[in-house]
Amino acid sequence: GEDVEQSLFLSVREGDSSVINCTYTDSSSTYLYWYKQEPGAGLQLLTYIFSNMDMKQDQRLTVLLNKKDKHLSLRIADTQTGDSAIYFCAESIGGRADGLTFGKGTHLIIQP
Amino acid sequence: NAGVTQTPKFQVLKTGQSMTLQCAQDMNHEYMSWYRQDPGMGLRLIHYSVGAGITDQGEVPNGYNVSRSTTEDFPLRLLSAAPSQTSVYFCASSYSAGADTQYFGPGTRLTVL
Repeated sequence: GEDVEQSLFLSVREGDSSVINCTYTDSSSTYLYWYKQEPGAGLQLLTYIFSNMDMKQDQRLTVLLNKKDKHLSLRIADTQTGDSAIYFCAESIGGRADGLTFGKGTHLIIQP
Repeated sequence: NAGVTQTPKFQVLKTGQSMTLQCAQDMNHEYMSWYRQDPGMGLRLIHYSVGAGITDQGEVPNGYNVSRSTTEDFPLRLLSAAPSQTSVYFCASSYSAGADTQYFGPGTRLTVL
């Protein structure tokens, strides 16, 4: 079965790096995603990684994928107050139509 | 492009009432889907469509109907609303199923009294 797990809260100081972790169970996952949701808003795709990659970097964001351990992480460098949001990890399987499987989301709290 | 649009933004219903949540996209995407988001539950798939005229059930389809008569529109119908359907509903679209980018609408916040 498919399951995506995330811790519910992460608190970091402004200017530090944030690392949000995610584990998944389906070894046939093709794409793994990170979405950001600000209060009262929809989901914004931050970045994604194809399952044959180990790392992807995009400005302040670094995604690391350990396929052996089925572990995905999102690192946000120089965390700012605008990064305060809920971050969702999600997986999909290429060619399958039954949507994305989401984690419950990690609330990122920024301390001044 | 407007992307994925949803109406209404907010809705309050009484138990037993019916309504339709609208979703439209102008990106010529074949794949569209509906999710509900509940506190502590993440997002769960309700129904999806891989193209006009084709729909299928997701993880939590009970109490909801969908149809896909055009590529652009994918309405979600609640035939007899129940308090358990109080949630935030998101519509999403992508070029194809399992594609690398799914675009989400802004959501509809529904309260059933």
